Amino acid sequence: DGGITQSPKYLFRKEGQNVTLSCEQNLNHDAMYWYRQDPGQGLRLIYYSQIVNDFQKGDIAEGYSVSREKKESFPLTVTSAQKNPTAFYLCASSPRQGLGLYGYTFGSGTRLTVV
Amino acid sequence: GEDVEQSLFLSVREGDSSVINCTYTDSSSTYLYWYKQEPGAGLQLLTYIFSNMDMKQDQRLTVLLNKKDKHLSLRIADTQTGDSAIYFCAEMTGGFKTIFGAGTRLFVKA
Repeated sequence: DGGITQSPKYLFRKEGQNVTLSCEQNLNHDAMYWYRQDPGQGLRLIYYSQIVNDFQKGDIAEGYSVSREKKESFPLTVTSAQKNPTAFYLCASSPRQGLGLYGYTFGSGTRLTVV
Repeated sequence: GEDVEQSLFLSVREGDSSVINCTYTDSSSTYLYWYKQEPGAGLQLLTYIFSNMDMKQDQRLTVLLNKKDKHLSLRIADTQTGDSAIYFCAEMTGGFKTIFGAGTRLFVKA
């Protein structure tokens, strides 16, 4: 079955560590996105990518980095520069930006906690 | 700027209808969406409406769009306990960016 897989489901980070969240899709989607979800707030866009080897900053990119070396994969690194990283992180994909009737397909999320 | 607003909580009794409301600011929005999020999971696309439509019905779901007031609603008929979740309104703006609201948590009482 086609879908989008995020791993791990839970991740614990010590202060000062970088951690990488994995996102893989087998839907042949061109565009991929990373969102952060905090209680009582909407989804905030961290980074997005429309094609391989290209990505753009979203609204809250500071302290995060991404790569898009393969169409299927869009990993997110939470660096030590991100001062408040505890949140639920959601990866999404879509056939291409602008194809509105398809919406986004979301992964099941990674809950990151700083310990 | 672009913004999507929705109330944070709604409580209904099982069997009643639920109506979740949303307002948006970008008049050039092309598509508007409703997504559902169950606890600890990602979002699932429930339905969408194109901006030139007033209403869309899909089984128990009815979406109403008032473009003049930039108001979108989702009605769930015969609400069941399995409908308890967070419902997100979202708009695709004229710049092909999707903006999400904060989500409405629906509680269904048996």
